[in-house]
Amino acid sequence: DAGVIQSPRHEVTEMGQEVTLRCKPISGHDYLFWYRQTMMRGLELLIYFNNNVPIDDSGMPEDRFSAKMPNASFSTLKIQPSEPRDSAVYFCASSLAGGNYEQYFGPGTRLTVT
Amino acid sequence: KQEVTQIPAALSVPEGENLVLNCSFTDSAIYNLQWFRQDPGKGLTSLLLIQSSQREQTSGRLNASLDKSSGRSTLYIAASQPGDSATYLCAVIGQAGTALIFGKGTTLSVSS
Repeated sequence: DAGVIQSPRHEVTEMGQEVTLRCKPISGHDYLFWYRQTMMRGLELLIYFNNNVPIDDSGMPEDRFSAKMPNASFSTLKIQPSEPRDSAVYFCASSLAGGNYEQYFGPGTRLTVT
Repeated sequence: KQEVTQIPAALSVPEGENLVLNCSFTDSAIYNLQWFRQDPGKGLTSLLLIQSSQREQTSGRLNASLDKSSGRSTLYIAASQPGDSATYLCAVIGQAGTALIFGKGTTLSVSS
């Protein structure tokens, strides 16, 4: 399997612009997670899905952030409008209930908002 | 609220040394614990997963132990090599199917 795939790998945008991050989980996995990593706060959960349904979005900073999972093989994280404080690395991970819930991470998207 | 702490934050050792990285968590009611490796500018690579019913897991030169009652886990690296230089992250899941809660990591530097 190709593992978790994320795109783009790097994104530079100006404040106020819309940003869309994409994730393809490992085939057959039934959980998908979005995490954000910053120097100050480390790795923190934003939102996660089980069988395409959002389960916990308590980590989403504010209404500017939204996430969708229209099918089992694709998810998006959208920021609109973006702000400089959103600059971070965004990771997508997936896991399988039958696999002891071990999480596998994608390479991440490094977002810079100027 | 679960909190995960990793000590030390950074560690420098000469090649060949055996070393121990520490992880502690405040709520002992965990489902499993994962150790990850992160190279600079890269993603996370899962090293070992220990289920709550297990005491340890081994993979090559790595051995992870879990003492759930005391809220502690250790990652033992035998005969360290420069290629082991990376940040090591510890994370726990409180209940099946929930998200990982991460420590801030230990950055390891192994000199040749």
